[in-house]
Amino acid sequence: AQSVTQPDIHITVSEGASLELRCNYSYGATPYLFWYVQSPGQGLQLLLKYFSGDTLVQGIKGFEAEFKRSQSSFNLRKPSVHWSDAAEYFCAVGLVSGGYNKLIFGAGTRLAVHP
Amino acid sequence: GAGVSQSPSNKVTEKGKDVELRCDPISGHTALYWYRQSLGQGLEFLIYFQGNSAPDKSGLPSDRFSAERTGGSVSTLTIQRTQQEDSAVYLCASSPPGTAGTGELFFGEGSRLTVL
Repeated sequence: AQSVTQPDIHITVSEGASLELRCNYSYGATPYLFWYVQSPGQGLQLLLKYFSGDTLVQGIKGFEAEFKRSQSSFNLRKPSVHWSDAAEYFCAVGLVSGGYNKLIFGAGTRLAVHP
Repeated sequence: GAGVSQSPSNKVTEKGKDVELRCDPISGHTALYWYRQSLGQGLEFLIYFQGNSAPDKSGLPSDRFSAERTGGSVSTLTIQRTQQEDSAVYLCASSPPGTAGTGELFFGEGSRLTVL
């Protein structure tokens, strides 16, 4: 069955430090992969997505993610974290089913940023 | 507003009562999704509507859960005889036509349900 694993439930980093959030997926074919962010009091927002082609994808807010087929991973990175990045981050795999995209989400990683 | 609107934002109910949660998608969006977000569980797919096609109800956890979408726009998620394990945030999302496969869903802020 398709699944998404985010091994880190909670991560704390200092402002200005680099960040990597891990995501592993289980899917039989080439996956569609996504990262969404949920800021306090706000709905989920798409950060970036991978469909095909270049395995390093750039997103909004200075985030990037790299698809590694051999490791079934799609880790999210940012070189320098800002206090406003504190939020919950969700990785998702898209299953094209019946002509639409059903997203399967991981459990999320909550990011805290120390000043 | 321009975004997905959900109401109520918070609902506290007693075990055994029925509740209705409403979602007003972005105008022009033909696809509508309901997800459930439980603490530490991520987002769980519940149901999907697309235009006039039959909905995909494969994620509904029990027959106490149902949803309808009237006129291809507003959707209502109904939970009958609520149980404590139904406590969660219920998220609605919509997407515009032609984006099947793109994965970009536009989410509302959710309805937090607490069953006492």
